[in-house]
Amino acid sequence: NAGVTQTPKFRVLKTGQSMTLLCAQDMNHEYMYWYRQDPGMGLRLIHYSVGEGTTAKGEVPDGYNVSRLKKQNFLLGLESAAPSQTSVYFCASSYSWGMGNQPQHFGDGTRLSIL
Amino acid sequence: DQQVKQNSPSLSVQEGRISILNCDYTNSMFDYFLWYKKYPAEGPTFLISISSIKDKNEDGRFTVFLNKSAKHLSLHIVPSQPGDSAVYFCAASGNSWGKLQFGAGTQVVVTP
Repeated sequence: NAGVTQTPKFRVLKTGQSMTLLCAQDMNHEYMYWYRQDPGMGLRLIHYSVGEGTTAKGEVPDGYNVSRLKKQNFLLGLESAAPSQTSVYFCASSYSWGMGNQPQHFGDGTRLSIL
Repeated sequence: DQQVKQNSPSLSVQEGRISILNCDYTNSMFDYFLWYKKYPAEGPTFLISISSIKDKNEDGRFTVFLNKSAKHLSLHIVPSQPGDSAVYFCAASGNSWGKLQFGAGTQVVVTP
């Protein structure tokens, strides 16, 4: 009963380093999303995907790239980490846009610190 | 420019009493609204939603009210329980594009 799994849970990076956050879902959802949560800002959409092989920009895409090579996985990459990217990152998935009786399901988050 | 606003960052309520969480939005194109609940170190979980064709939706102890003319919605929790202590996020979407806009959240603390 895994749902949405995010890896890793915590990470500390130095400015300029790169890393990839992995999101995996086992619910056969078409739609997947990456959000960041910052104090006083709520969740903001970084990138999203409406199906395997497709990605699109969200509200705050700069400095991030994504890939959806397999339906169950959605990867978020930071090519050159900056302190402004210190945040908690959440992945979510849903059958459609996540309304009605099929809302978005979230992972438990990745806490990322950039020094 | 935040289109969904939760102006109360925190709320303290006694166990057994009513908790009322408020949310305001600015985009008149929003027509679907959701509330998510979040415990520390966990992801948000869906709580309740309402479509703009309704003004009230109820699910057990949770009721969401929508006032479209005021662009305001509220979540009522009756009676409040210690397990309700969490951060509550309001979110809104328009059917034409579907992406959710979240408020900043309200931290609810239910005291014995």
